[in-house]
Amino acid sequence: QKEVEQDPGPLSVPEGAIVSLNCTYSNSAFQYFMWYRQYSRKGPELLMYTYSSGNKEDGRFTAQVDKSSKYISLFIRDSQPSDSATYLCAMSYSNAGNMLTFGGGTRLMVKP
Amino acid sequence: EAGVAQSPRYKIIEKRQSVAFWCNPISGHATLYWYQQILGQGPKLLIQFQNNGVVDDSQLPKDRFSAERLKGVDSTLKIQPAKLEDSAVYLCASSLVGTANSNYGYTFGSGTRLTVV
Repeated sequence: QKEVEQDPGPLSVPEGAIVSLNCTYSNSAFQYFMWYRQYSRKGPELLMYTYSSGNKEDGRFTAQVDKSSKYISLFIRDSQPSDSATYLCAMSYSNAGNMLTFGGGTRLMVKP
Repeated sequence: EAGVAQSPRYKIIEKRQSVAFWCNPISGHATLYWYQQILGQGPKLLIQFQNNGVVDDSQLPKDRFSAERLKGVDSTLKIQPAKLEDSAVYLCASSLVGTANSNYGYTFGSGTRLTVV
């Protein structure tokens, strides 16, 4: 079993839709949770960062962490064609340096 | 601010050949990482440097992979000899000390796409 599981998709939605992306994880020691966006042939870029449980909102993006269920989500409101990319969840321990454990990524396609 | 620079962008080699990748991190970033991203998977850490010292290389296949970061700036990752399963994108990332788990996160380069035939 992988430490971090993520549905690979692809997920295809019409422009303007609300998108929900999710990851589950097995190690309860993870404390820091991040979402990265990766465009084709580019490196990942940080979208959202959350420490421990709770919600965080930034513009059209909302990240949720439920540590009791070992489940994290990223919501994208009013999705745009420019949001078409692969979304990677990542997480790390509190005392294990800065190594990130990534999910496999979900490919999102937003159609005009 | 200039990003993380990597070269070459693409490389095709035959199995058992050698290859080297180069990374120049963002100026002032003490921590440098090499990740391997196989097609359809998330990145996997190979090695982490802080300045010119190795912090974590537990997932580096040391029989064939080596990496160095001379003078705590640029870094080189080498594979010798390459296997078919080494085909992947090799991503370099850098961060300020202690900020990878924060709103700053890593800054990744665009990667080197290696194809071993």
